[in-house]
Amino acid sequence: GAGVSQSPSNKVTEKGKDVELRCDPISGHTALYWYRQSLGQGLEFLIYFQGNSAPDKSGLPSDRFSAERTGGSVSTLTIQRTQQEDSAVYLCASSRGSSYNEQFFGPGTRLTVL
Amino acid sequence: GQNIDQPTEMTATEGAIVQINCTYQTSGFNGLFWYQQHAGEAPTFLSYNVLDGLEEKGRFSSFLSRSKGYSYLLLKELQMKDSASYLCAVKRNQGGKLIFGQGTELSVKP
Repeated sequence: GAGVSQSPSNKVTEKGKDVELRCDPISGHTALYWYRQSLGQGLEFLIYFQGNSAPDKSGLPSDRFSAERTGGSVSTLTIQRTQQEDSAVYLCASSRGSSYNEQFFGPGTRLTVL
Repeated sequence: GQNIDQPTEMTATEGAIVQINCTYQTSGFNGLFWYQQHAGEAPTFLSYNVLDGLEEKGRFSSFLSRSKGYSYLLLKELQMKDSASYLCAVKRNQGGKLIFGQGTELSVKP
């Protein structure tokens, strides 16, 4: 596709359940980022992948959060044992590389934990 | 650590000029970005400054002073469609991740 895509667009889950969020970056983009945006808040960095390098996980809020990127393309963000405070919009972005300045954002996944 | 501050809300009139300020304190500064985000949509890139001075791009301009830890986004000839949230973000030397401010919600009135 022409842009970053994410699925699902909306996810409602019960507290304690695990969820998986998917991101398809722009073809050829080697850098991939996950951010989350809580209601009325700015974007909060979660994790960053660049090529085959070890990911920068410094933004993950707890060990319930993990992400992987298979084959240098698609990425999955997993949240285990979801809590109500995990409710937010999870945004994925990609760029040609970490030295390129423009990050292209996907439409996001709105997660609601009941 | 890092701290990025911008006003929460601003209101301006159609056809006017508005300046949205952003101040930052961060180690390893490697550029400042402005993004526009309409409600319910993904952020879209507006501008990038890494050197001091003004960058102009059509109706939008962005300014940076690294010594003062200060940037502004200037929007001219405001249109109703400019009503959106404007996000200031800093890139640090370590990798490409961006640290965002809280965003400024701009309302353009007729």
